[in-house]
Amino acid sequence: DIVMTQTPLSSPVTLGQPASISCRSNQSLVHSDGNTYLSWLQQRPGQPPRLLIYKIFNRFSGVPDRFSGSGAGADFTLKISRVEAEDVGVYYCMQTARSSRSFGQGTKLEIK
Amino acid sequence: EVQLLESGGDLVQPGGSLTLSCAASGFTFNNFVMNWVRQAPGKGLEWVSTIGITGNTYYADSVKGRFTISRDNSMNTLYLHMHSLRAEDTAVYFCAKDFLGSLAPDSWGQGTLVTVSS
Repeated sequence: DIVMTQTPLSSPVTLGQPASISCRSNQSLVHSDGNTYLSWLQQRPGQPPRLLIYKIFNRFSGVPDRFSGSGAGADFTLKISRVEAEDVGVYYCMQTARSSRSFGQGTKLEIK
Repeated sequence: EVQLLESGGDLVQPGGSLTLSCAASGFTFNNFVMNWVRQAPGKGLEWVSTIGITGNTYYADSVKGRFTISRDNSMNTLYLHMHSLRAEDTAVYFCAKDFLGSLAPDSWGQGTLVTVSS
């Protein structure tokens, strides 16, 4: 099974400053079809998760452009260019490259 | 508008059984991969199961042999049949629909709480 490891697990950030979350897998997430199925989701307090990014860097509909994804193979990053108050929550990476899917442990983004 | 409404969560004794339902609307249900994801109290997200558009099914090791995912395309409903429940199955269970072609869950229900306790 693929294990996803996120760092940091907690990220205190000043409003208006950037934030970055790393996600690493223990094997490549390149699918046999050539795509890399790595997504990022946000979960605000008391809410279900929300899709932000799919296939490494594609922003889902309605997601602000301050969110960006990058990476390749087994090493990925989510960046928020300028953190806003509404960005508080837990961020998860998720791999769907294999039939057995898995999430990272989650990174809690909080405002300093 | 896509809507996913889970139901069936309850308090159940260890070793018991329960079936969760997810009523879908606002999209052509039979064209989409569907998932169950759970979240234990205060913990992170855990993938549970996925069912493809042709009915192929996949399970996390933690539930394999105890849980069965199914879909009724005529009723636009996703199910999770759970047996031999354990305390560690206590969680909010979310159903989620994949974004077409992305293998990413783009729409989620609000979840239903399953509590396994004597």
